[in-house]
Amino acid sequence: GAVVSQHPSWVICKSGTSVKIECRSLDFQATTMFWYRQFPKQSLMLMATSNEGSKATYEQGVEKDKFLINHASLTLSTLTVTSAHPEDSSFYICSAGNTGGPRYEQYFGPGTRLTVT
Amino acid sequence: AQSVTQLGSHVSVSEGALVLLRCNYSSSVPPYLFWYVQYPNQGLQLLLKYTSAATLVKGINGFEAEFKKSETSFHLTKPSAHMSDAAEYFCAVSDRGRSSASKIIFGSGTRLSIRP
Repeated sequence: GAVVSQHPSWVICKSGTSVKIECRSLDFQATTMFWYRQFPKQSLMLMATSNEGSKATYEQGVEKDKFLINHASLTLSTLTVTSAHPEDSSFYICSAGNTGGPRYEQYFGPGTRLTVT
Repeated sequence: AQSVTQLGSHVSVSEGALVLLRCNYSSSVPPYLFWYVQYPNQGLQLLLKYTSAATLVKGINGFEAEFKKSETSFHLTKPSAHMSDAAEYFCAVSDRGRSSASKIIFGSGTRLSIRP
């Protein structure tokens, strides 16, 4: 149990286009999901906290108009990278907290590798 | 604010030797602490977590970590390294908030290499 999926697992897009990444909790409900970005050989940096039915909370320095987050249901959050540029190329990882489980328990998705050409 | 500091961006040990990866935390409230492992081009796998029960936490793959409040440390150890342990390891901290999930803050990571 407690599986989080991401789609797509990798994507290549042209500069200026937008890309949507999905994060799904497959067998549990998640009121809160988190989006992280990881550059090569670096750590995971929290971008935003996604709350079902309300606006996301962005970390300092993250452009909310560029990284649009929608948490439309208890099992789905989406991250849209708008007007992507090569510097947005990164590994994007989501995590989900089990609403019915311990507060500290989070489950991570397998990640989505974005390459902007 | 919470943070973790991982000492040593790269650790290399011989196969069969002791593995010790260091992590110190900073938190104004009692924390939850985690160790995750990441293999190349993959997501994160939880090795173990400390949630205020036993201070010595046993995880998967023979790893364990000890929470030492006096030293604000949560070092990861394994008695005997295997080649398959080569990976990136992240120490992480979160608070004990009332929300359904608290954000996790990651350390900078330590790359573990195993010498034959």
